[in-house]
Amino acid sequence: SQTIHQWPATLVQPVGSPLSLECTVEGTSNPNLYWYRQAAGRGLQLLFYSVGIGQISSEVPQNLSASRPQDRQFILSSKKLLLSDSGFYLCAWSDVSGANVLTFGAGSRLTVL
Amino acid sequence: AQSVTQLDSQVPVFEEAPVELRCNYSSSVSVYLFWYVQYPNQGLQLLLKYLSGSTLVKGINGFEAEFNKSQTSFHLRKPSVHISDTAEYFCAVVDTGRRALTFGSGTRLQVQP
Repeated sequence: SQTIHQWPATLVQPVGSPLSLECTVEGTSNPNLYWYRQAAGRGLQLLFYSVGIGQISSEVPQNLSASRPQDRQFILSSKKLLLSDSGFYLCAWSDVSGANVLTFGAGSRLTVL
Repeated sequence: AQSVTQLDSQVPVFEEAPVELRCNYSSSVSVYLFWYVQYPNQGLQLLLKYLSGSTLVKGINGFEAEFNKSQTSFHLRKPSVHISDTAEYFCAVVDTGRRALTFGSGTRLQVQP
């Protein structure tokens, strides 16, 4: 069966520091991968998605970037965090042959101070 | 462009009462529709999905939803709620030709004893 892992689960970082959140999927090949952000009291905002290694689509211009160095690995990064980057970050995957049914990781809560 | 509106940010209801969480979408093409549930500090879990066929879709935990194309709605219902149903519920839509889901802002269901 397929599983998705995200880490770290929680992170407290000062403004201006770098960020790296990692996500890996097991039990499937060539998945579509996604990063969503959930700000406090708000819905989910799509940040990035990827249909293959090195292929990244950005939905919203911002202080973040994403990379997919391996088929089942998706990384969210920032060189310098802003206060507004605080939130709950969710990684998800979907099968390329399916109807975009997303399976989510447990999330990473980022607090920027 | 696809969009989702969840008009109710919070829905308080007593245990064993029925509940309906409303969802309306906007899209110019055929769509897939989803409801996800999020328990505190967790990722999202798929409740049910509409891809094609019968407009009445049954999901996990006794929930169901009805796709109404003329009203562009996909309301979620449960005839009798439990305390354990207290959570945030998200409606999502994706145009059949696209890859990434668009989520509504969420509805917090609060079940009271």
